[in-house]
Amino acid sequence: GAGVSQTPSNKVTEKGKYVELRCDPISGHTALYWYRQSLGQGPEFLIYFQGTGAADDSGLPNDRFFAVRPEGSVSTLKIQRTERGDSAVYLCASSPRGGFADTQYFGPGTRLTVL
Amino acid sequence: QKEVEQDPGPLSVPEGAIVSLNCTYSNSAFQYFMWYRQYSRKGPELLMYTYSSGNKEDGRFTAQVDKSSKYISLFIRDSQPSDSATYLCAMSQKHRDDKIIFGKGTRLHILP
Repeated sequence: GAGVSQTPSNKVTEKGKYVELRCDPISGHTALYWYRQSLGQGPEFLIYFQGTGAADDSGLPNDRFFAVRPEGSVSTLKIQRTERGDSAVYLCASSPRGGFADTQYFGPGTRLTVL
Repeated sequence: QKEVEQDPGPLSVPEGAIVSLNCTYSNSAFQYFMWYRQYSRKGPELLMYTYSSGNKEDGRFTAQVDKSSKYISLFIRDSQPSDSATYLCAMSQKHRDDKIIFGKGTRLHILP
């Protein structure tokens, strides 16, 4: 079946601009996570949704970052007034309800470059 | 000090060798330990998942957790060129509905 998809795959923007990154989770998965992976680093947690609500947003670095999941499926990560330090791969993961292990299935990521 | 420490490598070994990858961590609240494999320009893929201390084997892969030492390992037997990737250790406090804390990843090259 289809995995987690993310669009766009690449995004180049200028410093100060606004960007939106989209995540389509696996159908039926109720949990959705956003991570950020900088070059040479492991993924770093940003925010976790259970259904429509953000259950944990402790990883968002500042108020320029915001994410929504209005219908409990697709999620959008929004970054205002982008800075060069925001350049990274933004990964989305989803996991199903039920079962013992919280297996998070990752998408391929959106590579954001801020010039 | 980061919560999870992992040597970034790169680590180069000949095909057929046994590979040993490891991580240390500082937060004793971690209970669930994972290894992910990440190919270039792809998302991480879960390889192994273990709870608490002990060993778990899956084919050519063995994961070990030593909570007393805060040390986890992944062993790959009969390594293949297709195993060349970045291996990320990861851990969480709860078995679900919890953020995962990742190490930096170790770049592994299996030489044919």
